[in-house]
Amino acid sequence: GQQVMQIPQYQHVQEGEDFTTYCNSSTTLSNIQWYKQRPGGHPVFLIQLVKSGEVKKQKRLTFQFGEAKKNSSLHITATQTTDVGTYFCAGAPYSGAGSYQLTFGKGTKLSVIP
Amino acid sequence: NAGVTQTPKFRVLKTGQSMTLLCAQDMNHEYMYWYRQDPGMGLRLIHYSVGEGTTAKGEVPDGYNVSRLKKQNFLLGLESAAPSQTSVYFCASSYGFQIETSGRREQFFGPGTRLTVL
Repeated sequence: GQQVMQIPQYQHVQEGEDFTTYCNSSTTLSNIQWYKQRPGGHPVFLIQLVKSGEVKKQKRLTFQFGEAKKNSSLHITATQTTDVGTYFCAGAPYSGAGSYQLTFGKGTKLSVIP
Repeated sequence: NAGVTQTPKFRVLKTGQSMTLLCAQDMNHEYMYWYRQDPGMGLRLIHYSVGEGTTAKGEVPDGYNVSRLKKQNFLLGLESAAPSQTSVYFCASSYGFQIETSGRREQFFGPGTRLTVL
């Protein structure tokens, strides 16, 4: 079955430093999504990437989808304490109705030291 | 809009007991999902539904049953709970192949149910 690997598992950064998490799929994806889960909370959708080589930005967050549509990354510039949480990537296979069925990576837990 | 709601928020069961987790959404979404989240394991799909009256197995369906009798509700049942089913359960919903929302595949999650099986 489809596997989505995400690294690193944990990241501790000083406030103001940059942060990157990487996601790799064993199969080509129709789309990849990113979610953020605050401690004790539920996953919240951040963004969806669909096109090969796509890059999207949300303020200090930059999301990339690889040319082969098998890998993705999330980069946060100048982290803040509000960025604390676990970031998940989730990939959907390349097949019609199945493109709604997500396989989640195990997440990267980000800690920010003030 | 309440979004996605889950009942109950917490539950403690003894091994062998049964229970039903209720998920409700008011966004008229076609698709609904049940996930479990265990430490270090991310979110794993248990069952999902692409419409009223239809359900399908996900990655980890054993020991669970589901029903989608109404479009807005998705029930997850544990017939005979086991300690291995101790977890946080999340329900989610998303748009389906509706023309007006084509391409929008994001999932909206409920607040979760923390289940402990002793």
